[in-house]
Amino acid sequence: AQSVTQPDIHITVSEGASLELRCNYSYGATPYLFWYVQSPGQGLQLLLKYFSGDTLVQGIKGFEAEFKRSQSSFNLRKPSVHWSDAAEYFCAVGRMDSNYQLIWGAGTKLIIKP
Amino acid sequence: EAQVTQNPRYLITVTGKKLTVTCSQNMNHEYMSWYRQDPGLGLRQIYYSMNVEVTDKGDVPEGYKVSRKEKRNFPLILESPSPNQTSLYFCASSFLDQPQHFGDGTRLSIL
Repeated sequence: AQSVTQPDIHITVSEGASLELRCNYSYGATPYLFWYVQSPGQGLQLLLKYFSGDTLVQGIKGFEAEFKRSQSSFNLRKPSVHWSDAAEYFCAVGRMDSNYQLIWGAGTKLIIKP
Repeated sequence: EAQVTQNPRYLITVTGKKLTVTCSQNMNHEYMSWYRQDPGLGLRQIYYSMNVEVTDKGDVPEGYKVSRKEKRNFPLILESPSPNQTSLYFCASSFLDQPQHFGDGTRLSIL
């Protein structure tokens, strides 16, 4: 069965430091891939998506993600985090039979140290 | 402004008392979906709809009903709520094969 794994439940980084959030998926082909962010008390906002083409994808708020087929990964990165980046981040994958039906990771909570 | 609107945002109620959470979108999206979010489990899909009068079960449909009589509205109905339905609920919508837009969530507590 398809699945999405975000291995880190929490990550703590210092303000200004770089960030990488991990996402691994199980899939037999190239999936549709998404990263969403959820700020406290808010809904989910799309950060970026990968459908095809260039494997390095730029998103909003200075985030980027790289699709690596050989590693079945779609890790999210940011060179320098800001306190406002503290939130929960979700990776999602389109289902094999229906790309707009998503399978979600359990989320990674990002904590920013001053 | 393009948005997905859920009401209510918060609700505390008792076991067995029927409730409806409304969801409305103003983007003319075909696809709408309901999720519940529980700690450590991410988002799990309850029901979805690909167009008017077309609904289908997601991964956790038990205890829930939906309807899609108009394109813009997709209410979630709990006929006889139970404590295990205490959760944070999200409605989402999209054009087919496009990223989903989410509402701000509805926090339900069932005592």
